[in-house]
Amino acid sequence: ILNVEQSPQSLHVQEGDSTNFTCSFPSSNFYALHWYRWETAKSPEALFVMTLNGDEKKKGRISATLNTKEGYSYLYIKGSQPEDSATYLCACGGSNYKLTFGKGTLLTVNP
Amino acid sequence: GAGVSQSPSNKVTEKGKDVELRCDPISGHTALYWYRQRLGQGLEFLIYFQGNSAPDKSGLPSDRFSAERTGESVSTLTIQRTQQEDSAVYLCASSSAPGLETYEQYFGPGTRLTVT
Repeated sequence: ILNVEQSPQSLHVQEGDSTNFTCSFPSSNFYALHWYRWETAKSPEALFVMTLNGDEKKKGRISATLNTKEGYSYLYIKGSQPEDSATYLCACGGSNYKLTFGKGTLLTVNP
Repeated sequence: GAGVSQSPSNKVTEKGKDVELRCDPISGHTALYWYRQRLGQGLEFLIYFQGNSAPDKSGLPSDRFSAERTGESVSTLTIQRTQQEDSAVYLCASSSAPGLETYEQYFGPGTRLTVT
C-alpha cells in the first residue's frame, strides 16, 4: 500500500508571494507522480505527470520537480494570484493502474 | 469537447436508502475510475473499469457498494442501505490509456452524497 504525504495541510499567502509545497511517497516501485489542482465546486484538473528522476515541468507560473530516489516532489507557484486558491493534490502511481492520492494542500491567496 | 459528467451533483438521502450515482466519461476513453473523498481524507480509490469489466474491485468498502459499466461508456455506482459513513464526494475519472498510471485522468465534478 502506497502512503502519499503532503505538506503543509493548508497555506495562506498574500497575492504576489511565491510559495511551494511538498509531496512525499515511497521511492520503491515508483511509476509516476501526478499533480492536480482542485478548485471548489469544480473538477480536479491535471497539472503535471512526471515519471523520471530529476523531471521538471512548468505551466505558466506553476512548476514541479521530482526526486524519485528520495521520494519527493515539490510544486512551486511564482507570484501567487487569488485565482490560484485551490487544493493541490498529488498522486502516485505504482506498478498497477491505481493512483494513490495524498490529502492535499489547501492554498488560499489573499488579495 | 465534452468532459466527464456526473449526476446528480448533490444527493441527500436517509440512512438505509439505496442511491445510484452516474458517470459519463469522455467519449472514447476506455478506462474509468471511481474515487471518493470523505471529510478530512484524501481521494480514495474505489474501482477501476477497463472497458466493461472491472479487474479490481478491492477498493469498494463493503458489499453494499457495487458498480457497473455498459457499452464502454456510462458507469453507475450503487450504494445499498446507505450509512452515514458513506457521506462523501464521489468522483469519477476517465483516461484514454487503459490502466497506465503515467497518463492523465480526467475528472468529473463529483457527486456530493449526504446520508442523514
